[in-house]
Amino acid sequence: AQSVTQLDSQVPVFEEAPVELRCNYSSSVSVYLFWYVQYPNQGLQLLLKYLSGSTLVKGINGFEAEFNKSQTSFHLRKPSVHISDTAEYFCAVSVTPYSSASKIIFGSGTRLSIRP
Amino acid sequence: DAGVTQSPTHLIKTRGQQVTLRCSPISGHKSVSWYQQVLGQGPQFIFQYYEKEERGRGNFPDRFSARQFPNYSSELNVNALLLGDSALYLCASSYRDLQYFGPGTRLTVT
Repeated sequence: AQSVTQLDSQVPVFEEAPVELRCNYSSSVSVYLFWYVQYPNQGLQLLLKYLSGSTLVKGINGFEAEFNKSQTSFHLRKPSVHISDTAEYFCAVSVTPYSSASKIIFGSGTRLSIRP
Repeated sequence: DAGVTQSPTHLIKTRGQQVTLRCSPISGHKSVSWYQQVLGQGPQFIFQYYEKEERGRGNFPDRFSARQFPNYSSELNVNALLLGDSALYLCASSYRDLQYFGPGTRLTVT
């Protein structure tokens, strides 16, 4: 079975400061890794994904994440945050046994709050 | 292109009632998944359908059921509603291992 642990439930950061949201996963098989963002009263939006290849993944809105297989981590980073980045961020994994689609297992979320 | 659509956006029901939530996937996507997101938690997997067949089921009671239609749209049914069923219900359609989420239906059970 797979699991995802987001190590921080809340992360307060000053505007224009860098931020790192931490994520560790557990799986006995290869996984695909994702970060989703959820703005207040909205659904989930895909920020970035790791499927294979380069371990440094760049996403939308200036975010990036690095897949570290030895540490089973997939931390999300942004060098300079903006007020508009205030949201809930979810790390997630999926395993595709065959063909299309697989369920996604989500972490419990990290609430990023940006202070002016 | 239209994204995943869900209806209704909000719903209020009382305990013991039944509810049906609807989802239309992105055109060309043949798989639909349902997730329940309780306030303050990450989404939890409920069902996955592909080509109208159930491909996966999460740890939810039999009160929860779903189906997928020939046009790949889907319905999630919940019977005998409990207060704990209050949540945001998310639908996602899939293509090549990527899932695209709809805006969700917020269900409140009183």
